[in-house]
Amino acid sequence: DADVTQTPRNRITKTGKRIMLECSQTKGHDRMYWYRQDPGLGLRLIYYSFDVKDINKGEISDGYSVSRQAQAKFSLSLESAIPNQTALYFCATSDLKGADTQYFGPGTRLTVL
Amino acid sequence: GNSVTQMEGPVTLSEEAFLTINCTYTATGYPSLFWYVQYPGEGLQLLLKATKADDKGSNKGFEATYRKETTSFHLEKGSVQVSDSAVYFCALSRYNFNKFYFGSGTKLNVKP
Repeated sequence: DADVTQTPRNRITKTGKRIMLECSQTKGHDRMYWYRQDPGLGLRLIYYSFDVKDINKGEISDGYSVSRQAQAKFSLSLESAIPNQTALYFCATSDLKGADTQYFGPGTRLTVL
Repeated sequence: GNSVTQMEGPVTLSEEAFLTINCTYTATGYPSLFWYVQYPGEGLQLLLKATKADDKGSNKGFEATYRKETTSFHLEKGSVQVSDSAVYFCALSRYNFNKFYFGSGTKLNVKP
C-alpha cells in the first residue's frame, strides 16, 4: 500500500462549489504539505503543517483552507471553487529527523468548470 | 528571496544520448539542493540531493554537483534510457527544511 494517499484522484466540479481534498499518510511523519502544480509554473506551496496544532500559509493560500485532523491526515478545502483553481494538487510529507526529503502522494486532478 | 530556474522543455533525446538539464538558484545563505523526478501519473520522488558546496549527488546514473560560485546544480546522465522519460524538478530548501522551492520542471522524452 502507498505511504501517502490522496482522495479523490480526479474530481470535476462547478464554480462556487465547496470541495475537499484529503491526504492520509502511514509514514508517521510530522510535517505535511499541500502543493498545486500548473504547467510551466512547477509546484507552488499552498499550506503546510508541522503538527496538529501548527498550520502555516504558503505562497498561494488565498481561496484555500486546511485542516490537520490528526498526525496522519491533512485536508485541503476550496470554499468556493473558481476555474483558475483547476490544477493538479499534491500532498507531501517529511519527517522532522529526515526533513530534507519530501514524500509525495499520487496527486488529485481537479477541474473547476 | 528563494527561487529556482530550470531550462525550458521538452528535451527530446535518443536512447544512449548524454543528458544535461540546467538549474540555477537564488537563495540567501547556504541552501540544500535537490532533483526530484515525476514519472507519468505519479507524484514526485527524490532523485538526488546535495547539502553543501562542491557536493555531488548521484543516483541511478544521474549526478549533479552543487556549484556555489555559479549558483547552479545541473543534472547530467551519460546514457539515457527510454525509462528515464519523465519530468525533472530542481528544488532548494533552506537549512531548516521548513519549505521547499521548486523549479518549473523540465520534461524529458527519450526515443528508442
